[in-house]
Amino acid sequence: NAGVTQTPKFRILKIGQSMTLQCTQDMNHNYMYWYRQDPGMGLKLIYYSVGAGITDKGEVPNGYNVSRSTTEDFPLRLELAAPSQTSVYFCASTPRPADYGYTFGSGTRLTVV
Amino acid sequence: GDSVTQMEGPVTLSEEAFLTINCTYTATGYPSLFWYVQYPGEGLQLLLKATKADDKGSNKGFEATYRKETTSFHLEKGSVQVSDSAVYFCALDPGTGNQFYFGTGTSLTVIP
Repeated sequence: NAGVTQTPKFRILKIGQSMTLQCTQDMNHNYMYWYRQDPGMGLKLIYYSVGAGITDKGEVPNGYNVSRSTTEDFPLRLELAAPSQTSVYFCASTPRPADYGYTFGSGTRLTVV
Repeated sequence: GDSVTQMEGPVTLSEEAFLTINCTYTATGYPSLFWYVQYPGEGLQLLLKATKADDKGSNKGFEATYRKETTSFHLEKGSVQVSDSAVYFCALDPGTGNQFYFGTGTSLTVIP
């Protein structure tokens, strides 16, 4: 049982480049989330999904996009990377948030230079 | 709106000392409350939770009681170990399924 798997673990991008952060879970969870973690700022929600084919914006969606074509996968796309997107990105999933909390992936550390 | 306020760190304790990390919340409904722990270079792991008022969550010697009258969910441990060194996050689920609200995290270092 792999849980939530994120790839890559580290990445350096140049300003203006694009990339996709991958997230997959094998627990058949309907709810999936993308958060970014900045030092001293806690976690901020970027996008979330309550099931395959359904996505919605969180607090800080600008510069990002997502898709949810299957229950297992929830990739996060960065278009035209900017230094402000330097952060650690976490994917999380849950079958029922209030009862189970989240299962987090190990994170992707992204630096935009 | 919904939010969580967590005591600022960093916190440094000697091994076997008593730990309290304060967390208070603001919520319009009846939220669930969580504590997560993050070890260096890793993702957040669920430490404990409470889903209604007066519930006590506990795990690995850590405890927290959901107190509606003081809107608090303070984390406690009677005797910390070096292995407890990590960042601790308080979180609130308002019950909408949209997102959790996280505190800013409290860094704990336990010295032998």
